[in-house]
Amino acid sequence: GQQLNQSPQSMFIQEGEDVSMNCTSSSIFNTWLWYKQDPGEGPVLLIALYKAGELTSNGRLTAQFGITRKDSFLNISASIPSDVGIYFCANTGNQFYFGTGTSLTVIP
Amino acid sequence: DAGITQSPRHKVTETGTPVTLRCHQTENHRYMYWYRQDPGHGLRLIHYSYGVKDTDKGEVSDGYSVSRSKTEDFLLTLESATSSQTSVYFCAISESRAGTGGTEAFFGQGTRLTVV
Repeated sequence: GQQLNQSPQSMFIQEGEDVSMNCTSSSIFNTWLWYKQDPGEGPVLLIALYKAGELTSNGRLTAQFGITRKDSFLNISASIPSDVGIYFCANTGNQFYFGTGTSLTVIP
Repeated sequence: DAGITQSPRHKVTETGTPVTLRCHQTENHRYMYWYRQDPGHGLRLIHYSYGVKDTDKGEVSDGYSVSRSKTEDFLLTLESATSSQTSVYFCAISESRAGTGGTEAFFGQGTRLTVV
């Protein structure tokens, strides 16, 4: 299957800090999706990106579709305790492919 | 939130028994998917459906079968459960085919299955 490399695997940050994570693939895609999964729940879509270079925000979250179409970045500004969870990137070929996730811990 | 309901939410079963998980959607989306989520592996596609009675295999389909007799329901069956099938199973839906512009997948809350 398609390989999506997501980094970092885990992050421990202080409340109020900014967070940055990224995802890279070996192939070119038309869509990048970012999801968040809370413990015991299913992934919830945060941001969808459809064009190379696109920069989209959702509250304190900002994501960018890389110019090469092989990568994407998610930034979270001024983190709060409820940002805790696992963040997944995904893109679509003939199916949805998911990264292995970045686990975020926010220390109050 | 997308109207996706998975049942049961938790199940413990014995090795060798059949198990069926149900996914029900109220969004009238054409595409439905079953994934399993395991530590270190992320989300892996088991089977998907692109319409009533139309299904296809994903990357980890061995030991699983699916059926879709109605648009709103997608069933995942483990014919003879094994310990390696202990996992969290997620159903997802999408309005159009993955890879087409503007496609997003929406997930259910998951079913935690333990095979003892």
